[in-house]
Amino acid sequence: QITLKESGPTLVKPTQTLTLTCTFSGFSLSTSAVAMGWVRQPPGKALEWLALIYWNDDKRYSPSLKSRLTITKDASKNQVVLTVTNMDPIDTATYYCAHSMGSISWSFDYWGQGTLVTVPS
Amino acid sequence: SYELTQPPSVSVSPGQTASITCSGDNLGGKYACWYQQKPGQHPVLVIYQDTKRPSGIPERFSGSNSGNTATLTISGTQAMDEADYYCQTWDSSTGVFGGGTKLTVL
Repeated sequence: QITLKESGPTLVKPTQTLTLTCTFSGFSLSTSAVAMGWVRQPPGKALEWLALIYWNDDKRYSPSLKSRLTITKDASKNQVVLTVTNMDPIDTATYYCAHSMGSISWSFDYWGQGTLVTVPS
Repeated sequence: SYELTQPPSVSVSPGQTASITCSGDNLGGKYACWYQQKPGQHPVLVIYQDTKRPSGIPERFSGSNSGNTATLTISGTQAMDEADYYCQTWDSSTGVFGGGTKLTVL
């Protein structure tokens, strides 16, 4: 059974760096053709794809946010970390981590519950 | 940057067929997937690789992808299918979501 859970601050001040951790179970990020990603959703708005890290440590980022995002993994701890620098009120959103595999063309088949991060103006 | 366009809303009567479109340049040349999201919940994958259903997704959900348009079809729509639906594809090795479509069953 695959489970994922996001953790991190619920409130971040403008210009600060956000660090979110996804702790997962039920699979290994060392297994070939497995990946983990991050997606966010501002209140009442659409999903936004942020980043993906593959089992082999290859990484992909949203072009519009690439300069501000870093995704890393610690397979031994079953964790994936996303950092977002220079936070702004427009970054207020629910942040989700999700599991992906090559066999499903890197769609996200398991999701965490999400964590709401607020950046006050 | 690559964009996917969805209609903001679609309405359907119970028992009828709902079709939700997703348009993008040469989208048919890429794989598309679809997610269902109900209020307060995380998204759920309902279609991947254009036409495939994950385990546990009802057969009434189907997908197609050709030309510039991917389509999610829900046959025999039920009240429980009322939700937001998002398409997603890949461009230049990064993911892209559509703007979402609110499906109303009335």
